[in-house]
Amino acid sequence: NAGVTQTPKFRILKIGQSMTLQCTQDMNHNYMYWYRQDPGMGLKLIYYSVGAGITDKGEVPNGYNVSRSTTEDFPLRLELAAPSQTSVYFCASSPDSNQPQHFGDGTRLSIL
Amino acid sequence: QQQVKQSPQSLIVQKGGISIINCAYENTAFDYFPWYQQFPGKGPALLIAIRPDVSEKKEGRFTISFNKSAKQFSLHIMDSQPGDSATYFCAASRSAGANNLFFGTGTRLTVIP
Repeated sequence: NAGVTQTPKFRILKIGQSMTLQCTQDMNHNYMYWYRQDPGMGLKLIYYSVGAGITDKGEVPNGYNVSRSTTEDFPLRLELAAPSQTSVYFCASSPDSNQPQHFGDGTRLSIL
Repeated sequence: QQQVKQSPQSLIVQKGGISIINCAYENTAFDYFPWYQQFPGKGPALLIAIRPDVSEKKEGRFTISFNKSAKQFSLHIMDSQPGDSATYFCAASRSAGANNLFFGTGTRLTVIP
């Protein structure tokens, strides 16, 4: 039972490069979320999706894009990486708005 | 603007002692208050959660106390063990929406033998 799987686990990018952080869940959850975690700041919501084809912005969406073409996958795209995007990124999913969110183990991203 | 304020930032407790972490919120529309436990290199994992229709919820050694009028809630860990050493996050959300969680800044708990 894999749950929420995030790849890669670690990545170093140069300023201006782009990349996609992958997230997939095998629990058939409708709701999926992307958070970033910075030291001493807790987790902040970047984007979320309530189902395939539906996405919306969270607290800190600038510099990121998402898509949700299937129930299982919710990739996060960084188009022009900036040092301020150095962070640990967590993907989460839940069956609906009244159920707990299940988190993956994160992607640690450094932009130099 | 931090929607959920958490204290203390770090906490050291002797084995067998009680660990207490406090959180406060402003948005009265919040109706779901979970606590997450996070070990190094892992994602947060739900520990216990409460809704505002009750003032206390207990699961094993973990208890949430909730004060709706003061807009505060706290986590009590009884008989703290070294294995409880982790970072704890409180959070709040509105389940009427997409249940987007607003997290506190975290408390690093160390339980010493």
